[in-house]
Amino acid sequence: GAGVSQSPSNKVTEKGKDVELRCDPISGHTALYWYRQSLGQGLEFLIYFQGNSAPDKSGLPSDRFSAERTGGSVSTLTIQRTQQEDSAVYLCANSLGGRPLTEAFFGQGTRLTVV
Amino acid sequence: AQSVSQHNHHVILSEAASLELGCNYSYGGTVNLFWYVQYPGQHLQLLLKYFSGDPLVKGIKGFEAEFIKSKFSFNLRKPSVQWSDTAEYFCAVNDRGATNKLIFGTGTLLAVQP
Repeated sequence: GAGVSQSPSNKVTEKGKDVELRCDPISGHTALYWYRQSLGQGLEFLIYFQGNSAPDKSGLPSDRFSAERTGGSVSTLTIQRTQQEDSAVYLCANSLGGRPLTEAFFGQGTRLTVV
Repeated sequence: AQSVSQHNHHVILSEAASLELGCNYSYGGTVNLFWYVQYPGQHLQLLLKYFSGDPLVKGIKGFEAEFIKSKFSFNLRKPSVQWSDTAEYFCAVNDRGATNKLIFGTGTLLAVQP
């Protein structure tokens, strides 16, 4: 596709429910990132996938958060037992994956609201 | 661990005023540096980047940034802002010695008054 596509664009869920957020990356861009954007917190790094290497999960805030990337393409971020503090915009980004990093391209994000 | 600090959280300027947004990072090795911008209702987009060479880099829309290695800084500047520059600005750092992980600052919200 022409850019990074995220779905849904908005998600309202009840506290305690699980949610899945999807990222369709740019074709051929092997590096994929998830970030969380909250008011006053900037962009908080969550997880990074690079090709077939083990992902860097160092930013995941708790074990309720997990992500996978199937076939090196589509990625899903899952939040289990959502809490109100999980409300934020979740951003997916891609880069070509070569070294050094040249540019990361961002999707529009998924706005998650936990009520 | 790497960190990025943006000390100005909210800046209000009048049109034609000069702009300088601060960015400092904590990592002492070789880094790539970026400024991203997020206009209201739009996705993040790259404003400019520094990899090596001339420490003064020029980006889109008249923005520039200067890398000062001794100060671990990469401040963003524009001589004369316009109302259309109203946006949130993010500084980001990539540690070239490690992975392609990109660490962002907390952002600076710029409001330009006409």
